[in-house]
Amino acid sequence: NAGVTQTPKFRVLKTGQSMTLLCAQDMNHEYMYWYRQDPGMGLRLIHYSVGEGTTAKGEVPDGYNVSRLKKQNFLLGLESAAPSQTSVYFCASSYLAGTGRYLQETQYFGPGTRLLVL
Amino acid sequence: AQKITQTQPGMFVQEKEAVTLDCTYDTSDQSYGLFWYKQPSSGEMIFLIYQGSYDEQNATEGRYSLNFQKARKSANLVISASQLGDSAMYFCALILSSYKLIFGSGTRLLVRP
Repeated sequence: NAGVTQTPKFRVLKTGQSMTLLCAQDMNHEYMYWYRQDPGMGLRLIHYSVGEGTTAKGEVPDGYNVSRLKKQNFLLGLESAAPSQTSVYFCASSYLAGTGRYLQETQYFGPGTRLLVL
Repeated sequence: AQKITQTQPGMFVQEKEAVTLDCTYDTSDQSYGLFWYKQPSSGEMIFLIYQGSYDEQNATEGRYSLNFQKARKSANLVISASQLGDSAMYFCALILSSYKLIFGSGTRLLVRP
């Protein structure tokens, strides 16, 4: 099992350029997430998906779009990159263990993608 | 509003001693979970421990234990017998029934030899 992988590991963009970050997981998880981590701050949720074909906005969705065409892949797109999007991006996936009140949802993280927007 | 607060930006601990990292949370949900993650300098996020809101006993995982005080809305991480490899950023996170994971700002722990 590779777990959660992210492509690319590092990227430099010019303001206004577009790019797509790829997240892949081989654990058959239903739920996938994209976070960004900025200096001095914890991770903030950008978008998430609770299943193939579904996506939802997180805490900081503006400037990003996502797609979940296949269960194992979750794509994060930047249509017109801005310097404020310079950050480290983490993808995560999870499953639900247990039922009813006793739910445990452990999120497994990818290694991160460092994005610099000049 | 739901939020996680970690009030200690940085801490030192002597090798082999125990250390407590503080975490308080705010949510009106009855069903939720609390996680602690470790982020070493290499950048990856490593799951450490989980506590569910209905769990009656405090969670333990090896040298890690979670001091869960539901009424006070605190979920402190205790690391016993600190090792040099424990030096890292530690994040507390709150998971809600909406599947969103809300992170605190983190505590940087440095273990002194």
